[in-house]
Formats: sequence, C-alpha cells, structure tokens
Amino acid sequence: EDKVVQSPLSLVVHEGDTVTLNCSYEVTNFRSLLWYKQEKKAPTFLFMLTSSGIEKKSGRLSSILDKKELFSILNITATQTGDSAIYLCAVAGGTSYGKLTFGQGTILTVHP
Amino acid sequence: DVKVTQSSRYLVKRTGEKVFLECVQDMDHENMFWYRQDPGLGLRLIYFSYDVKMKEKGDIPEGYSVSREKKERFSLILESASTNQTSMYLCASRPTGARGTQYFGPGTRLLVL
Repeated sequence: EDKVVQSPLSLVVHEGDTVTLNCSYEVTNFRSLLWYKQEKKAPTFLFMLTSSGIEKKSGRLSSILDKKELFSILNITATQTGDSAIYLCAVAGGTSYGKLTFGQGTILTVHP
Repeated sequence: DVKVTQSSRYLVKRTGEKVFLECVQDMDHENMFWYRQDPGLGLRLIYFSYDVKMKEKGDIPEGYSVSREKKERFSLILESASTNQTSMYLCASRPTGARGTQYFGPGTRLLVL
C-alpha cells in the first residue's frame, strides 16, 4: 500500500523565519512528487519533482527530492503571514491514471 | 485557466438522505477524482474516473458511488448519508499524460446530522 508521511503536522513561526517541511514516501512505481498549498479553498499546485537533487524554486519557496532516501523537503524563507496554509505533499505512482497518494498535510501558521 | 467547479460550497443533510455532489471541469480532462479531507488524515481518494462511464475505486469507496455520464461532469453519490461522512469533499481533474498534476475544485463542506 502506498504511503506518504509529512512532518511536522503543525508549525507556528513568526514572520521572517525560515521553515522546512518534510515529506517521506513509500510508493510503487514512483512517477512524481507534488507539493500543494491549501488556504481556505482548493489546493493550489506549487511544485512537481521527478528527479533527485534538482531544486525547484519559486520566489521564497524551494523544494528538492531525494529518490534514494525517498523524501522531499519544502523550504520557505523569510515567511510572511500570507504563507499560513496547509501544505500538502502527494506522490503519483502505481499503474492507475494519475492517482495521487497524499500525506496528512502540515499546518503552517505565521504570526506577524 | 483550468476551472473545476463544485455544485455547493456548504451542504447540510440528515442521516439516511441520499446526497449528490456534482463536479464540472471545463478543460476536457479525461481523468477526474473525488477525495475527502479530514483533519490529520489528509486527502483520501474515494473514486476516480479515467473516461466516460469508467470508474475505479480509490482507497475508501465504502458508502459512496459515482457517475460519469459526460466527460466534463463527475458526480459523487452518498446512497444513505451517515454522520461519519461529515467531511470536506474535493473534486479534481487531470489530463492524461500530465505526470500527476491535478487541478482541484473549491470543495464542498458536508455536514450530516
């Protein structure tokens, strides 16, 4: 059975802090790992990672994948209150039609 | 922009009622998915469909059924709602070959009394 585990489950920081969110996985026939941000609405896509060691960046957010150790991290530097959200990690694997297995999510709260 | 819409943002139903949740996407995607989201459990796949009239069970299909009569529309049906089906329901769609990227609707928060 495919499994994705995120840590920590929740995190409270102050503006300007740097945070690292973790995602480990056990998936058959790994295809890709995805990060989503969810505020009080639909999850929005952040990154898709398919290869080890290649960092993806978008502004203050970056992410990297380690396919040997089966994990990914999402870094957010100089956090802002607008970064407060649930961050979801998901892995596409198996033989089905783009089926994703999600982790529990990390609830990030950024205080001013 | 891809648009995935869901028929209701909030819904209150009574135990035993039949509940229909509708999802429509406007990008001609082959694949559509229904998830439920609960605190501490993340998103769990209920059912998905890879073509019209085709469906596959996800991880937690018990108590649910689905219908896909048209490519753009994917319906989730709770045959007899129970209180443990109180949850946030999210629909998503994805084109074939997009290597896992899914586009989500805004969600329906269902309360079963």
